[in-house]
Amino acid sequence: DAGVIQSPRHEVTEMGQEVTLRCKPISGHNSLFWYRQTMMRGLELLIYFNNNVPIDDSGMPEDRFSAKMPNASFSTLKIQPSEPRDSAVYFCASSLPGGDSPLHFGNGTRLTVT
Amino acid sequence: DAKTTQPPSMDCAEGRAANLPCNHSTISGNEYVYWYRQIHSQGPQYIIHGLKNNETNEMASLIITEDRKSSTLILPHATLRDTAVYYCIVRAHSGAGSYQLTFGKGTKLSVIP
Repeated sequence: DAGVIQSPRHEVTEMGQEVTLRCKPISGHNSLFWYRQTMMRGLELLIYFNNNVPIDDSGMPEDRFSAKMPNASFSTLKIQPSEPRDSAVYFCASSLPGGDSPLHFGNGTRLTVT
Repeated sequence: DAKTTQPPSMDCAEGRAANLPCNHSTISGNEYVYWYRQIHSQGPQYIIHGLKNNETNEMASLIITEDRKSSTLILPHATLRDTAVYYCIVRAHSGAGSYQLTFGKGTKLSVIP
């Protein structure tokens, strides 16, 4: 089991540039979650998908953020245009179907916007 | 989601049991108690979860009070590698067939040599 795979591990970009973060969930998991972690706000849920369909995107900070899940094995989180306040660690997690299935997290992408 | 309350920090001597408390007095009957930990620079790691009964796995034990208003995570023999932030979470189950975890500030556990 390779676990949840995120890429890149680190991203440094300049303000105004587009950033795309990628996630491959664990095979067979039908729920996928994107979280953001900062020192000030801790871990925040941005959006989650069930069977590739976005269920709740109320945590997405603004229209500059978008997430897609074109198939069961791939998801992207895009920020366009990026701003320095978007600097954070972004985590992807996935889980099996079922109400008591735990989330399994990737090791995150550390984003720095200068 | 039901709110949880955890102490901000705790120390534990290496080799001793670490007992991490969590209060969740507003928990609903169908909500599970989950424990995760986060070691610096890594993603949160699932430890254990339970509904009513006490649970044990290779990592830890979870003791839930009879009224379900509080729980304790027990690491039986803490090692230096157990130094991490431990999150107690009560999980809401949405009607769409999925669910989300809402993380609080957790307890920073420091295992002392």
